[in-house]
Amino acid sequence: AQSVAQPEDQVNVAEGNPLTVKCTYSVSGNPYLFWYVQYPNRGLQFLLKYITGDNLVKGSYGFEAEFNKSQTSFHLKKPSALVSDSALYFCAVRLMEYGNKLVFGAGTILRVKS
Amino acid sequence: KAGVTQTPRYLIKTRGQQVTLSCSPISGHRSVSWYQQTPGQGLQFLFEYFSETQRNKGNFPGRFSGRQFSNSRSEMNVSTLELGDSALYLCASSPYRGENYGYTFGSGTRLTVV
Repeated sequence: AQSVAQPEDQVNVAEGNPLTVKCTYSVSGNPYLFWYVQYPNRGLQFLLKYITGDNLVKGSYGFEAEFNKSQTSFHLKKPSALVSDSALYFCAVRLMEYGNKLVFGAGTILRVKS
Repeated sequence: KAGVTQTPRYLIKTRGQQVTLSCSPISGHRSVSWYQQTPGQGLQFLFEYFSETQRNKGNFPGRFSGRQFSNSRSEMNVSTLELGDSALYLCASSPYRGENYGYTFGSGTRLTVV
């Protein structure tokens, strides 16, 4: 089955420290991978995507993600966390052969403490 | 450039009633998808519309339906509401259906069924 897993329900990090939010996927064919962020009572905001090309993808607000085909992972990273980064983060894979839908992971709450 | 607009933002309905939610995509976007977000099930795909045609439907009962108009605006309807239909309903638009295009999400409609 095509799926996305976010193994951590919550990640805690101190402000100024690097952060990593993990994502692994299980899909056949080439994966099209996305990261979205959600703030309370809001919709999803696009952070970055991997379609093809460089394995290191740079996105909005200083975030980046590394695509690792051998480990089937697409971890989200940021060199220096901000308190304002605290939010709910979703990894998703786009399944063209299943009608162009996004399949989301369960989400990871990121808490950045000052 | 206006984003994806969903109306209303909040809605309270009684069991057994029906409800219609509206989504206006970004100007020029022709693909509209709907997702349901609940604490228990996470983000789940409802359906996708492109050029006024439903292209795919998620695993939801027939009480959930939708349509897309010639101006790409979309509506979704839920009939005979159940308590379990309480959720945040998110609409997302994309220029086309190709894999290179990301989705832009609206802020959602929070539906509460009492």
